[in-house]
Amino acid sequence: NAGVTQTPKFRILKIGQSMTLQCTQDMNHNYMYWYRQDPGMGLKLIYYSVGAGITDKGEVPNGYNVSRSTTEDFPLRLELAAPSQTSVYFCASSRQGVGSYEQYFGPGTRLTVT
Amino acid sequence: AQRVTQPEKLLSVFKGAPVELKCNYSYSGSPELFWYVQYSRQRLQLLLRHISRESIKGFTADLNKGETSFHLKKPFAQEEDSAMYYCALNGGSQGNLIFGKGTKLSVKP
Repeated sequence: NAGVTQTPKFRILKIGQSMTLQCTQDMNHNYMYWYRQDPGMGLKLIYYSVGAGITDKGEVPNGYNVSRSTTEDFPLRLELAAPSQTSVYFCASSRQGVGSYEQYFGPGTRLTVT
Repeated sequence: AQRVTQPEKLLSVFKGAPVELKCNYSYSGSPELFWYVQYSRQRLQLLLRHISRESIKGFTADLNKGETSFHLKKPFAQEEDSAMYYCALNGGSQGNLIFGKGTKLSVKP
């Protein structure tokens, strides 16, 4: 049981490049989330999904896209990378949304855009 | 607006001293609050949730609705408690968490 896995761990992008951050969970959780964390700040929600085929925007969705074709996978796509997207990205999953359900986090992807 | 405030960026104490990490929240309705912790080189993980009313690793947190606070306390800090601590609020039906900026706890020998 690996929990939530993310790849890559680190990445450097040039301005205007695109990339996909991968996230996979093996806990059969319906809810999945993408957060970003800027230095000295708390995590902010980018996108979330309540099940396969269903996604919605969070607090800071601009410049990102997601898809959820399976329960396990929730990739985050960056189009036309900008320096403002330099951040640490965390994927998380949860069995349910409403209620005090634990969120399980991946190890994070540290992205630098130069 | 839903918001979580952790006023201290860094809290430094000596081993054996009491610890209190402050958390205040803004939320209309009944809040669901959590403390998450990130130890060095480890992923973010749940420490405790208010609904459980449990003590984890000696830490407790009481929800005070009058003061809109959910402070994390431990009577005797240990060096292994050194970590980043995040207070978080369940943001709604989609289950996303609203995080504070975090407090770095450093426990000195």
